[in-house]
Amino acid sequence: GESVGLHLPTLSVQEGDNSIINCAYSNSASDYFIWYKQESGKGPQFIIDIRSNMDKRQGQRVTVLLNKTVKHLSLQIAATQPGDSAVYFCAETPGTGNQFYFGTGTSLTVIP
Amino acid sequence: EAQVTQNPRYLITVTGKKLTVTCSQNMNHEYMSWYRQDPGLGLRQIYYSMNVEVTDKGDVPEGYKVSRKEKRNFPLILESPSPNQTSLYFCASSEDISQPQHFGDGTRLSIL
Repeated sequence: GESVGLHLPTLSVQEGDNSIINCAYSNSASDYFIWYKQESGKGPQFIIDIRSNMDKRQGQRVTVLLNKTVKHLSLQIAATQPGDSAVYFCAETPGTGNQFYFGTGTSLTVIP
Repeated sequence: EAQVTQNPRYLITVTGKKLTVTCSQNMNHEYMSWYRQDPGLGLRQIYYSMNVEVTDKGDVPEGYKVSRKEKRNFPLILESPSPNQTSLYFCASSEDISQPQHFGDGTRLSIL
């Protein structure tokens, strides 16, 4: 089956620093990738997505990088704020099939 | 306001007593799915539906049933709940498999 993993289960950063959360995937046919943020007691919230025909996509304070050669996805958060403290999940869909596959999540803690 | 609504939010019940968790979305989305979230395992897809009257198994369908009689509703049914189904459940919807999903706020089930 699909395998979507994260390099680190926890990450602590100082307020104002940049954060980088990594994700590896196993299916080279995966064509759509999504990052979600989950705050305590809430459902995952969409942050940013990227399709396989792109290498980089930027949003407000967030950037997603996709390296298809090594099947690696990263989320960069600029000037991390206390409100960014949450669990972050990557997800992907394969080129065939109709399922979403999620990683196990990275817990980001921002230190004031 | 665009939203996915799940009910109940919390439920404690006993082994073998049938229960239904309702899910409704107001975005006219075609794709809906159910996930369970367990510590260290991330989100795992239970069932999904591409459209009305079309449902398919995800990665962990055993012990669950779903139905999609209307576009907006996608209930999750546990015919004979068991303690290993104690978990946090999320319903989600999206326009299709190539768009990000919107999640409900979750239902925490405890099966004693």
